[in-house]
Amino acid sequence: IAGITQAPTSQILAAGRRMTLRCTQDMRHNAMYWYRQDLGLGLRLIHYSNTAGTTGKGEVPDGYSVSRANKDDFPLTLASAVPSQTSVYFCASRGDLDTGELFFGEGSRLTVL
Amino acid sequence: GQNIDQPTEMTATEGAIVQINCTYQTSGFNGLFWYQQHAGEAPTFLSYNVLDGLEEKGRFSSFLSRSKGYSYLLLKELQMKDSASYLCAVRDGDYKLSFGAGTTVTVRA
Repeated sequence: IAGITQAPTSQILAAGRRMTLRCTQDMRHNAMYWYRQDLGLGLRLIHYSNTAGTTGKGEVPDGYSVSRANKDDFPLTLASAVPSQTSVYFCASRGDLDTGELFFGEGSRLTVL
Repeated sequence: GQNIDQPTEMTATEGAIVQINCTYQTSGFNGLFWYQQHAGEAPTFLSYNVLDGLEEKGRFSSFLSRSKGYSYLLLKELQMKDSASYLCAVRDGDYKLSFGAGTTVTVRA
């Protein structure tokens, strides 16, 4: 049982470099999300996609882009990384039952130097 | 937008009861969630309230008052494994989830 798979698990990156965090789900959920989690700030929504082919901006979208070419993949790209993007990034999908709970990946820890 | 407040830390003794409060101010409301997150791990779903009242699930219960913008998570018969962060989250009309900063619960023997 995989659920949500994120890669890489951890990465150290030089400022100014481009980085793509990968996210793949095998639950065939329509909606997917990217959050970042920082100490004292909790989880903040970066971008989301309600269905394949559509994306939307969350609370903190600047410096990030996403694409949703198919139902299962939802990559997050940092075009030119900055130290303030050091964080733990969680990808999630929304279940299709009444509760619509989120299922999270294990997270990608990114350090930008 | 959403403004969600919960205490930063709580400490309790094994076997005791702890209540974590959450207050929220939202521009739209479509349900309130509680998630558990152990250190270094992903959040996992605990409970969901969309109507006023108490939802009970084993040792965990969650309460919601929409008119007061208030919820609490009640953890009974605390066990050491309950030491974790508990995240209150509110869903808006577009099904996006906003999270509070989380409450770290430490259970002591």
